[in-house]
Amino acid sequence: GENVEQHPSTLSVQEGDSAVIKCTYSDSASNYFPWYKQELGKGPQLIIDIRSNVGEKKDQRIAVTLNKTAKHFSLHITETQPEDSAVYFCAASSLSGGYNKLIFGAGTRLAVHP
Amino acid sequence: DTEVTQTPKHLVMGMTNKKSLKCEQHMGHRAMYWYKQKAKKPPELMFVYSYEKLSINESVPSRFSPECPNSSLLNLHLHALQPEDSALYLCASSHSPGGGSPYEQYFGPGTRLTVT
Repeated sequence: GENVEQHPSTLSVQEGDSAVIKCTYSDSASNYFPWYKQELGKGPQLIIDIRSNVGEKKDQRIAVTLNKTAKHFSLHITETQPEDSAVYFCAASSLSGGYNKLIFGAGTRLAVHP
Repeated sequence: DTEVTQTPKHLVMGMTNKKSLKCEQHMGHRAMYWYKQKAKKPPELMFVYSYEKLSINESVPSRFSPECPNSSLLNLHLHALQPEDSALYLCASSHSPGGGSPYEQYFGPGTRLTVT
């Protein structure tokens, strides 16, 4: 089955710096790669995603890149702000039987210091 | 609107109690999911319903019993739980193919369950 590894487990940056989180997956059939942000006491929030037919996607300060050959994808946050502090999860999946079974990475705790 | 609602927000129950968690979405999604999340861990899939039919049971103990009464509602019935079942229980939903983008999965805020 699919396995997703995520690094680093913790990341501390100064406000205004960039942050990069990396994930690798094992199943070449996976074709959808979302990123979730989870703040304390809340559910995971979908912040950006990428499908296997695209190499890069950007939404304001957030971007995701995908290398299908190497089976890895990354989240890039530029000009970080204290409100970016949260736990970030990557995931990989492929559609099956009308639903989308996500396999999550272990998570990265991002701290942005003013 | 991408809102999934869950009630209650917090629940404390004894090991002999019976309780239920509720989840609701009005996005027309036909796939609904229950996850369990322990502290500092990623969400762990428990059940998947597709078109109100149970599609996946990830070998969850029978003291957890899911129910999908209609396309907007998902329940999780709890009975004779153990202290190690204390966790955040998350509900999520997504479109099924043909109904919209089937990939994006949206989570509710969760129910924080404590078993005493």
